[in-house]
Amino acid sequence: AQSVTQPDIHITVSEGASLELRCNYSYGATPYLFWYVQSPGQGLQLLLKYFSGDTLVQGIKGFEAEFKRSQSSFNLRKPSVHWSDAAEYFCAVALSGGYQKVTFGTGTKLQVIP
Amino acid sequence: DGGITQSPKYLFRKEGQNVTLSCEQNLNHDAMYWYRQDPGQGLRLIYYSQIVNDFQKGDIAEGYSVSREKKESFPLTVTSAQKNPTAFYLCASKDSNQPQHFGDGTRLSIL
Repeated sequence: AQSVTQPDIHITVSEGASLELRCNYSYGATPYLFWYVQSPGQGLQLLLKYFSGDTLVQGIKGFEAEFKRSQSSFNLRKPSVHWSDAAEYFCAVALSGGYQKVTFGTGTKLQVIP
Repeated sequence: DGGITQSPKYLFRKEGQNVTLSCEQNLNHDAMYWYRQDPGQGLRLIYYSQIVNDFQKGDIAEGYSVSREKKESFPLTVTSAQKNPTAFYLCASKDSNQPQHFGDGTRLSIL
């Protein structure tokens, strides 16, 4: 069964600083990978997805992620964080693009300080 | 605008009571999902449905039931057998080869 690990429960960065959120997955083949963001009391919004092709994926709100097969990682990055980026971020993996289950990591809560 | 509507936003359950959470989508998606979210545990899959009149158990189905009589609707019933129902419940839908779309959630608490 696939699994997702987000090793950082909580991260604090200064506004304007760069950000990298880590995500590692466990699955034999190339999975379908996602990053979602959640504001308090809200649903999840898709930031970006990787299905195949270019391993550097651009998303919304200035985020990008890089798929590294050798490291089984799909880390999320942003060059300059804004106060509005404070939220919880979830990495997720699926076996395919079909209707099978999606497995989510436990999330990383991002705090942005002035 | 197309989307997923969950209602109510807040729900309270008394001991021994069943409650039903509503999820409606107008995205014409075939598949729908119910997740439970607890602090520090991410999202855990309760049930999912790939087609009308069919659904499968997820990882934590005990104490929950669902139905899928219409493509656009996938209600979740939290039964009295679910001993720890306090959580944030999220509904999602998707098309093949597309990511899931999520509703805004229902927060269920025990009176």
